[in-house]
Amino acid sequence: EVQLVQSGAEVKKPGESLRISCKGSGYSFTNYWITWVRQMPGKGLEWMGRIDPSDSYTNYSPAFQGHVSISVDESISTAYLQWSSLKASDTAMYYCAREVEAAGTVYGADYWGQGTLVTVSS
Amino acid sequence: DIQMTQSPSSLSASVGDRVTITCRASQGISNYLAWFQQKPGKAPKSLIYAASSLQSGVPSKFSGSGSGTDFTLTISSLQPEDFATYYCQQYNSYPWTFGQGTKVEIK
Repeated sequence: EVQLVQSGAEVKKPGESLRISCKGSGYSFTNYWITWVRQMPGKGLEWMGRIDPSDSYTNYSPAFQGHVSISVDESISTAYLQWSSLKASDTAMYYCAREVEAAGTVYGADYWGQGTLVTVSS
Repeated sequence: DIQMTQSPSSLSASVGDRVTITCRASQGISNYLAWFQQKPGKAPKSLIYAASSLQSGVPSKFSGSGSGTDFTLTISSLQPEDFATYYCQQYNSYPWTFGQGTKVEIK
């Protein structure tokens, strides 16, 4: 069974650093991209970026480039979303999703993690 | 960035109704479009990819169509479990972008 299991909720102060995780199981982790999506309270979905676990190639949305970092540790089938200095406006639910890409053609996300709630407050 | 505009933003419908949601892209995206369903407090669920292909396990009451700039998601006979918010997403060019969502409520 394919599963993406995300790390638990976090409460942080502005300026602190944070790394949340997304562990894949039930499939070959390096054969599928991982994408990250933000959902601010009461708002819609925002695409943040994606990573190819086979070579760590990443693409970021300009809206998030430079503020977050996406990485993977293929040895433990885990992708990460990281901040070096959180802001109150980073308060949101963050989802990871598995994306299918074959022979250069993307087929979109199929499985999603359960979400990680990040709260940033002084 | 490609802008994705969904209409309507919300709708009220009854069990058994046929519901259609529209998604328009600000420029052509071929068929690189996905649809997702999200229920309150839950992660999104993937319904459709490549504009019209159903994800594994998704019931056939859901269907998608379109190409280029105009797309539709249709639910053939609305059931209680279908009341949710639906999002389209283009993955033709970076940054990938979502529509603002369409909330389907019970009439």
